[in-house]
Amino acid sequence: GENVEQHPSTLSVQEGDSAVIKCTYSDSASNYFPWYKQELGKGPQLIIDIRSNVGEKKDQRIAVTLNKTAKHFSLHITETQPEDSAVYFCAASLSGSARQLTFGSGTQLTVLP
Amino acid sequence: NAGVMQNPRHLVRRRGQEARLRCSPMKGHSHVYWYRQLPEEGLKFMVYLQKENIIDESGMPKERFSAEFPKEGPSILRIQQVVRGDSAAYFCASSTDRAGFGELFFGEGSRLTVL
Repeated sequence: GENVEQHPSTLSVQEGDSAVIKCTYSDSASNYFPWYKQELGKGPQLIIDIRSNVGEKKDQRIAVTLNKTAKHFSLHITETQPEDSAVYFCAASLSGSARQLTFGSGTQLTVLP
Repeated sequence: NAGVMQNPRHLVRRRGQEARLRCSPMKGHSHVYWYRQLPEEGLKFMVYLQKENIIDESGMPKERFSAEFPKEGPSILRIQQVVRGDSAAYFCASSTDRAGFGELFFGEGSRLTVL
């Protein structure tokens, strides 16, 4: 089955700096890669996703890049703000959809004021 | 429009008891997914259901765990004879009739503690 590895497990940045979280996946057939943000005591919330026919996608301060050859994808957050502090999860799916996602182990991002 | 509603938010059970977790999907969503999150870990897929049907239960333990999504009422994840290793947060998610091509919306989770 699919295996997703996520790094780093914790990340601290100064407010205004950029944050990058990286994930690798094992199954080259995976074709859907969402990113979720989970705040303390809450459920995960989709923040951005990318499909395998696209190399990069941007939404305001958030961007995701995908390298299918290397089987890795990354989340980039620019101009970080304290409210960006949360746990971020990457995920991969073989079905092209959110069905049966395999999640990474999460990155605790702390934005220091 | 209320989001995905899960209850109870917190549940404490002794070993050997039964745990029942309920999930009401978002209005208009007929697809429900259950995930389990162990401390310091990511979410693990358990089961995917549509109304009255289990579509994919490949992530469900073979014993003690069952799930249903009846025609009327919430989806229920049932854990019989709980053990300490069942302690985790259980998240429900729902999506539209497009079966996952739409966004997956998660509830706030049910946190099970087994004493």
